Amino acid sequence: ILNVEQSPQSLHVQEGDSTNFTCSFPSSNFYALHWYRWETAKSPEALFVMTLNGDEKKKGRISATLNTKEGYSYLYIKGSQPEDSATYLCAFNNAGNNRKLIWGLGTSLAVNP
Amino acid sequence: SAVISQKPSRDICQRGTSLTIQCQVDSQVTMMFWYRQQPGQSLTLIATANQGSEATYESGFVIDKFPISRPNLTFSTLTVSNMSPEDSSIYLCSVGGGGGTYEQYFGPGTRLTVT
Repeated sequence: ILNVEQSPQSLHVQEGDSTNFTCSFPSSNFYALHWYRWETAKSPEALFVMTLNGDEKKKGRISATLNTKEGYSYLYIKGSQPEDSATYLCAFNNAGNNRKLIWGLGTSLAVNP
Repeated sequence: SAVISQKPSRDICQRGTSLTIQCQVDSQVTMMFWYRQQPGQSLTLIATANQGSEATYESGFVIDKFPISRPNLTFSTLTVSNMSPEDSSIYLCSVGGGGGTYEQYFGPGTRLTVT
């Protein structure tokens, strides 16, 4: 059974704080790792797709790193803003069935103004 | 990226009834997917909607409970049949981005409560 685990489950930070969350996934047969942001009543929005060990991607104040050998990815948010409040989901593609995304439960972030 | 709309956005339904959820995409796409997220659970793939053939269902999901239509390359429906409170979930449709990394684009979801 392929499991994707995310921690922490939820997080409350003050505006301006920097924060990070973790996604753990099976390190064997890795194909790709996806990060999504899901705001309430909106569509999940793709943030990053990462495929290479050591990969680092950045989008504004948000960045992510990937370690495929040990099976984890970190998502960082620098200088959190209230509009960053959302659930951050990671999903994993396995090389044996790479069309199918296996999802974590998400990290729910609340940024207080 | 594709723009995807879903109808209805939310509904409250009685046990034993059925609800059909519509998914419309602004461009022709090959792969369309239906997911659900039950309270406290991760997103779970129900089925892949194939144009011109029957949907491909994941383990634990059957056509009688979740019939799917895919009449063309921009539209699909998912029906939740003979509903019970356990079917209370967010139902999402998504489309494949077509790239080699299998990125997906999602609709805003249908929030279903079964009483």
